[in-house]
Amino acid sequence: DAKTTQPNSMESNEEEPVHLPCNHSTISGTDYIHWYRQLPSQGPEYVIHGLTSNVNNRMASLAIAEDRKSSTLILHRATLRDAAVYYCILRDGDFGNEKLTFGTGTRLTIIP
Amino acid sequence: DTGVSQDPRHKITKRGQNVTFRCDPISEHNRLYWYRQTLGQGPEFLTYFQNEAQLEKSRLLSDRFSAERPKGSFSTLEIQRTEQGDSAMYLCASSRGLRNTDTQYFGPGTRLTVL
Repeated sequence: DAKTTQPNSMESNEEEPVHLPCNHSTISGTDYIHWYRQLPSQGPEYVIHGLTSNVNNRMASLAIAEDRKSSTLILHRATLRDAAVYYCILRDGDFGNEKLTFGTGTRLTIIP
Repeated sequence: DTGVSQDPRHKITKRGQNVTFRCDPISEHNRLYWYRQTLGQGPEFLTYFQNEAQLEKSRLLSDRFSAERPKGSFSTLEIQRTEQGDSAMYLCASSRGLRNTDTQYFGPGTRLTVL
């Protein structure tokens, strides 16, 4: 599986936008970019995914670089409930393994 | 939709004892996954089922571990002769199973402590 690289930790002020980067320089043409997050003492939860175009949903936006070698998860207005570990994961849409391959993710701290 | 449930939420056992965890997936989800998570790390894949068939097992799943999904609904994960290194959070997830990239929905996990 292609690998992703994320910063270990980030901090942001409450009610400010947050940009969480992910590098995936070895991404293949059929890899989807998925984001999951894990709130304290909970299992991971799906946030968003995309292939080439930027994506928006009620939780977040995903901005994908034109060469697809990096992406950014955007939380438009962070709240204290967004404090979590965020995982960027590549999944092959054609021949992908079923499993999710998690890295260590980015621990996001929200400052009140 | 009640989500994925796991039981028990916490288990403390002595080294050498056997433990069994249960996972109830979202109804009508064909695929069920088990992951293990140790402190400070992301979850690691253990195994997954398509209905009642176990289709993949990680090399992390030693002979002491066995998972079943007898009727394609709930699943159990048993650890025999537990060791201190088995202490971890055991997470279950399910998905519709229509595409490889289907969203996986996770349960709250079972935290195992082996003394």
